[in-house]
Amino acid sequence: AQRVTQPEKLLSVFKGAPVELKCNYSYSGSPELFWYVQYSRQRLQLLLRHISRESIKGFTADLNKGETSFHLKKPFAQEEDSAMYYCALAKSYNTDKLIFGTGTRLQVFP
Amino acid sequence: ETGVTQSPTHLIKTRGQQVTLRCSSQSGHNTVSWYQQALGQGPQFIFQYYREEENGRGNFPPRFSGLQFPNYSSELNVNALELDDSALYLCASRAANSPLHFGNGTRLTVT
Repeated sequence: AQRVTQPEKLLSVFKGAPVELKCNYSYSGSPELFWYVQYSRQRLQLLLRHISRESIKGFTADLNKGETSFHLKKPFAQEEDSAMYYCALAKSYNTDKLIFGTGTRLQVFP
Repeated sequence: ETGVTQSPTHLIKTRGQQVTLRCSSQSGHNTVSWYQQALGQGPQFIFQYYREEENGRGNFPPRFSGLQFPNYSSELNVNALELDDSALYLCASRAANSPLHFGNGTRLTVT
């Protein structure tokens, strides 16, 4: 079965600390992986996708097919990074059928 | 501003009733999808429409149906409402080869 697992409901760090939001997936094939973010009182928006291999707002994520993981990392957290983060999987590019994890709330304290 | 607008923002219905939720997308967004997000969960894919035809469906019963119109607006209809249908309903749309843009959602409460 296709599934995305985000084991942490809440991750709390201090400003300047490194952050790693975990995401593991289950899919028999080569999926597309995404990270979406929802800031307080804002809509869900795309943060990054693995095919782009880019860094957005200092965040990066590497697809590890051997470990079926797509962890989101940032070396130095900022207070404005506090938000809800969702990992999502799609069977292929250009499909809107995303399978989301349950999300991790990141709290960055000053 | 992504240009995906949903209405209403909140809605309360009684079990057994029918509901229509609306979404207005940006010009050029030929694809629209609907998601259900229960409290504490990630969004779940309901279905996708492309050029007014259903183009993919998640694990939802037929009482969930949709329409997409030529003016880039769309509807999600739910018949015979059940208590478990209480959730945030998200509309998302995009142009070809572009990422999804989500709306703010409609919070539906079924009593």
